[in-house]
This record gives sequence, C-alpha cells and structure tokens, in this order.
Amino acid sequence: DAGITQSPRYKITETGRQVTLMCHQTWSHSYMFWYRQDLGHGLRLIYYSAAADITDKGEVPDGYVVSRSKTENFPLTLESATRSQTSVYFCASMSAGIPETQYFGPGTRLLVL
Amino acid sequence: EDKVVQSPLSLVVHEGDTVTLNCSYEVTNFRSLLWYKQEKKAPTFLFMLTSSGIEKKSGRLSSILDKKELFSILNITATQTGDSAIYLCAVERGNAGNMLTFGGGTRLMVKP
Repeated sequence: DAGITQSPRYKITETGRQVTLMCHQTWSHSYMFWYRQDLGHGLRLIYYSAAADITDKGEVPDGYVVSRSKTENFPLTLESATRSQTSVYFCASMSAGIPETQYFGPGTRLLVL
Repeated sequence: EDKVVQSPLSLVVHEGDTVTLNCSYEVTNFRSLLWYKQEKKAPTFLFMLTSSGIEKKSGRLSSILDKKELFSILNITATQTGDSAIYLCAVERGNAGNMLTFGGGTRLMVKP
C-alpha cells in the first residue's frame, strides 16, 4: 500500500512488558518521526530520524528506543512499558527540507495496564 | 524553552458562525508555522506560513502570520459540521532539522 502505515492499530499490554510499534512508509522520505498525543499536550516528539542509521531524541525520549536500519521502516520500542506511556502514537515521514510534506500515519492506540 | 500555545482550548459554535483560532509561539530560529486539521485520525496539513502579513486561503479557511507579535490565526467562515476537529498549530525551527513543535490544539465543535 502506498503511504505511511502503522501496526498494530490498537494494543493492550501490561506494565513491564516490551512493546514494539511498527511504522512503514513508501515515499522514500528521508525523515521519519514518532510522536505521542495526550489530552492537553498536542503532539510531542519522541524520536526522529534524518536518514537510515541516524536517529536523535526529541522532546520526550525516556523509556523509548528506536532504530532505522532501512529508510522505509522506523520501529519504536517501549522497553518496559509504564502506565504513563498509555497514549496515541503517531508516526510521520517527511521529505528533507519540506515541512509541509510531513504526513502522518493512522496512529496506534496503546493502553498499558 | 520553545513554546507554542493555542487558544482557546475548545470552542462550540453553530453552523454558519465564523471562528478564529489563535496560535502564539516563542521559539528560537523560527522558520515556518504550519496548521493541521485532525479529525478522528491522523493530522492533515492545511497551511504553511513563512512571511508576515500574507494571507493563505483555501475555501472557507484562511490563515495569517505576524512574525513581529509572534502569532498566527486560523479563520473559518460559514462553519459546517464537517469542520468539527482538533486544529493543531506547529512551528518549524530552522536549526532543528525541520522538526516541528506542536501546540496543544484547539478542539472545535460545530453544531447543526
């Protein structure tokens, strides 16, 4: 499928478990981002990647790990999930230097019990 | 610390009303300001503003930027129920690899 996809769309897990959220884009955009969205906070950047094998922290990186071995994939891992990580997670991709091309995936709704 | 603040937090209007949403910012090395509309899914791009005083328009939506006073407004005229959404403002910083800093959003509900 063309565009940007995320999986799973919904996930329920327990405190302490490891969870990986997947993101895949077909545009060959160099930039990819992970955001979380919580009531009253808008979108907050967790991690971003400017290219394969280049990742950097955003505003709220603690408790998360990312990797980018291929341009099209940007998985986000919660190493030991906590209740405060209950949120909606959006992945996005963007063509370098063109912010209006930042397209968002459909989101993953994560509940940590 | 960079800040993007949107007001009001939420708004309820009736169809046909005109609304104005506000976005103020304090960021270092400002490059552009973007508006997004978010219904029950991912945000979708509306406008990107880089220059003061130049209105961007798309149908009933328009937006303008004031770089001196550090704010932007998004106007929606003759609102329709389909305009009900969260409207997000984001600022791009020139020294941060095209990263966007988002405001908290304004939730707009348009009643028939």
